[in-house]
Parts: sequence; C-alpha cells; structure tokens
Amino acid sequence: GAVVSQHPSWVICKSGTSVKIECRSLDFQATTMFWYRQFPKQSLMLMATSNEGSKATYEQGVEKDKFLINHASLTLSTLTVTSAHPEDSSFYICSARDSLVGSEQFFGPGTRLTVL
Amino acid sequence: AQSVTQPDIHITVSEGASLELRCNYSYGATPYLFWYVQSPGQGLQLLLKYFSGDTLVQGIKGFEAEFKRSQSSFNLRKPSVHWSDAAEYFCAVAPYNTDKLIFGTGTRLQVFP
Repeated sequence: GAVVSQHPSWVICKSGTSVKIECRSLDFQATTMFWYRQFPKQSLMLMATSNEGSKATYEQGVEKDKFLINHASLTLSTLTVTSAHPEDSSFYICSARDSLVGSEQFFGPGTRLTVL
Repeated sequence: AQSVTQPDIHITVSEGASLELRCNYSYGATPYLFWYVQSPGQGLQLLLKYFSGDTLVQGIKGFEAEFKRSQSSFNLRKPSVHWSDAAEYFCAVAPYNTDKLIFGTGTRLQVFP
C-alpha cells in the first residue's frame, strides 16, 4: 500500500508555544488529507479535511484558529497547533487518499504531542 | 447521528484460537464499513472493507468480516490467531459516498502463547 509519513513522531513543548506537524504522502499524490485526534484509550476523532489548494473543512467543535491546516501541495499537509495548552496533548494522526471519494485512506504513524 | 460501537474493550485469546471482534453501527442507510488494525509505531492499516455485494468480505492477514444488515453489525473474524495479531482493532463507517470515517473506540487484542 501507499506510504504516509508524519514528522515529528513525538514532540514536547511549553504551554503557549506553537507546534507544527507535517504529513507527507511518499509515493502518491494526495488530493485529500485528513487530520484526526486520538485520546488515550479512545477512538480517532476527525478534526478536519483538507483538499490541496483549498481551505480545510473543520468538524464541529474544532477551533480552526487554533488548529491551522495547510495543504499547499499534493504531497504535504501541515497541522499547526497554535498557543498550545496541556489539554491539547494528544496523539495526532493524518491520512491521505489519492483521488475518488470512497477510495482507501492511508494513515500516517501519528505524532504524540505533550504540552507542559 | 452516526455511531460505531465496539462492545469489547479488551480481548485475550490463546494463539491458535479463533477470534471474533464485534462491531455495531447506527446509520440510516448502509454505510461503507471498514476494519483497521493499529500497531504501536505504525499507522492504521486497512484489513478489509465492505461497500456492497457479497456480505462476507475477505481481507488481509487471514481476516474476514460479515455484514449483517438486520443486526447492523460487521464483525471481524479469524479462524486461528497468531501472536503477531496482537494489536488494537478499529471498526469504522463512512456514510454513503463520503470520506468521513467514524471510528469505534477500538478493541485491544492480546494473544497468549
């Protein structure tokens, strides 16, 4: 299957700082990328959907000014957690698909964010 | 609202035993249905999916799942579990013709030798 990478795999930051997480599709062009958040022992919750060259569509309850998503190219999407607070500590996972609605999403390994 | 229920948080089986992981969904029509496996340090991997047609779906690694419309279920099965199957398993649904995956809370599978 196709490969999706995330960087960094884990990050620790101080409260009030911003953190950027990268999601890359390594061997295919991702027209759509998705960002999920996973709390310990809980399910993945979709945060937003981004299409290359367009503004991201955020799910209800997700603050778009806090979680900035950029999908500037067909192989890269970034999630920036602005002014991070301890409650933002979580496991962030991206996925990507190449074309048609309903085609398989390929998931990255996730990024563990800890805000002190 | 659509939802996915995985009633078993944690299952322990002996290697070589059969396995069934339960998944029930709530949705007005038949959604797309998926099973994923998550191993530490790795991304979620798709085991199998159901869109339409034959209700018994074969997947990778010897897994299969059966869609039962009357029970709104999509249970995952494997006849003989291997130690390498120990992982977290997620059932997910996507409303018809959408990308939005709605995940269950997952079932952690532990395999004893």
